[in-house]
Amino acid sequence: AQSVTQLDSQVPVFEEAPVELRCNYSSSVSVYLFWYVQYPNQGLQLLLKYLSGSTLVESINGFEAEFNKSQTSFHLRKPSVHISDTAEYFCAVSEMGTYKYIFGTGTRLKVLA
Amino acid sequence: NAGVTQTPKFQVLKTGQSMTLQCAQDMNHNSMYWYRQDPGMGLRLIYYSASEGTTDKGEVPNGYNVSRLNKREFSLRLESAAPSQTSVYFCASSLGAEETQYFGPGTRLLVL
Repeated sequence: AQSVTQLDSQVPVFEEAPVELRCNYSSSVSVYLFWYVQYPNQGLQLLLKYLSGSTLVESINGFEAEFNKSQTSFHLRKPSVHISDTAEYFCAVSEMGTYKYIFGTGTRLKVLA
Repeated sequence: NAGVTQTPKFQVLKTGQSMTLQCAQDMNHNSMYWYRQDPGMGLRLIYYSASEGTTDKGEVPNGYNVSRLNKREFSLRLESAAPSQTSVYFCASSLGAEETQYFGPGTRLLVL
């Protein structure tokens, strides 16, 4: 069965510092990988996704994630965070050919001034 | 384009009461989903509808029923609410399997 692990429930970081949010998954079949962001009192929004091709994917606001098949990881990184990046970030996995996402438990990123 | 809309935004119920959460999308998506979000547990899939006329159970379907009324609308019904169903409920839609899911703003439900 699929599973997604986000080991860090909360990550505090100072503004302009780099950050990495970790995501590991397990699956016996090929998967698609997603990062979603949730701002306070809002629904989730897609940040970036890996479907195939280049293992490094980027978002429009400076985040990037790299698919590592051997380590079954899809960590999210940003070289310099802003106050506005404060939000909860969810990693999700979808097995090819299915409609079901499995979400991780989320990581709360708090950017400090 | 409103995207995915949900009503109501907030609801308080007493144990045993029933209610229906409404969801509609205007993106001509084929697939729709209902999730619940609880602290420390992420999002869990309750039911989904791969296409109009079909519905399937997700991870936590007990205590819920769904109706895919047409391509646009997908409702979630609680027949006899229980305190364990206190949660934030999100509706989402996508073009199809493996595609990006677009989420509504959520319904906050408190069952006393």
